Amino acid sequence: ETGVTQSPTHLIKTRGQQVTLRCSSQSGHNTVSWYQQALGQGPQFIFQYYREEENGRGNFPPRFSGLQFPNYSSELNVNALELDDSALYLCASSGRQGARYEQYFGPGTRLTVT
Amino acid sequence: GQNIDQPTEMTATEGAIVQINCTYQTSGFNGLFWYQQHAGEAPTFLSYNVLDGLEEKGRFSSFLSRSKGYSYLLLKELQMKDSASYLCAVRDSNYQLIWGAGTKLIIKP
Repeated sequence: ETGVTQSPTHLIKTRGQQVTLRCSSQSGHNTVSWYQQALGQGPQFIFQYYREEENGRGNFPPRFSGLQFPNYSSELNVNALELDDSALYLCASSGRQGARYEQYFGPGTRLTVT
Repeated sequence: GQNIDQPTEMTATEGAIVQINCTYQTSGFNGLFWYQQHAGEAPTFLSYNVLDGLEEKGRFSSFLSRSKGYSYLLLKELQMKDSASYLCAVRDSNYQLIWGAGTKLIIKP
């Protein structure tokens, strides 16, 4: 286990609703990245937080937003859910921004939008 | 645009050797990672290359050629538990990871 936890494990929402996913990073890690992984695809980068500031964003619309807290845990919020948002959402923490340190992934949250 | 290419699927025999290739075109390069992902689970780190050459780690080795935009992951003495998807990811000039779609490796007895 990596020490990165995510909640909830699974979630079912209806189109148009809003969802909040949570992530606790590994002890000592101050950088958190969020990814969306559709079935049979590689992870797609959503955004990254370093010391409570967003410092990188992928090609996702503004209805995807996030937060990082002083203890370096993080939230991913998605508004106005669409069917295509159904995916595995992965959170990864790393020890130092820009360093060679690898990212450690949490188990993911499986979101289904109906 | 940024692009990472890997074969979609490969099949190999238990005890054999398999090489999974990855080619990339990214805006900048700050390292290449290989991850293993079992179905329904999160990716787990396998290897990291930032300089040209071969990095060996037990049964797994990873090679990088920056001039060719090419890497491979070599798995030796294949075991049934090695059946998984193998993801190649490049850290670009913004220190963001760009991921390939993964190679599904099927191991047969």
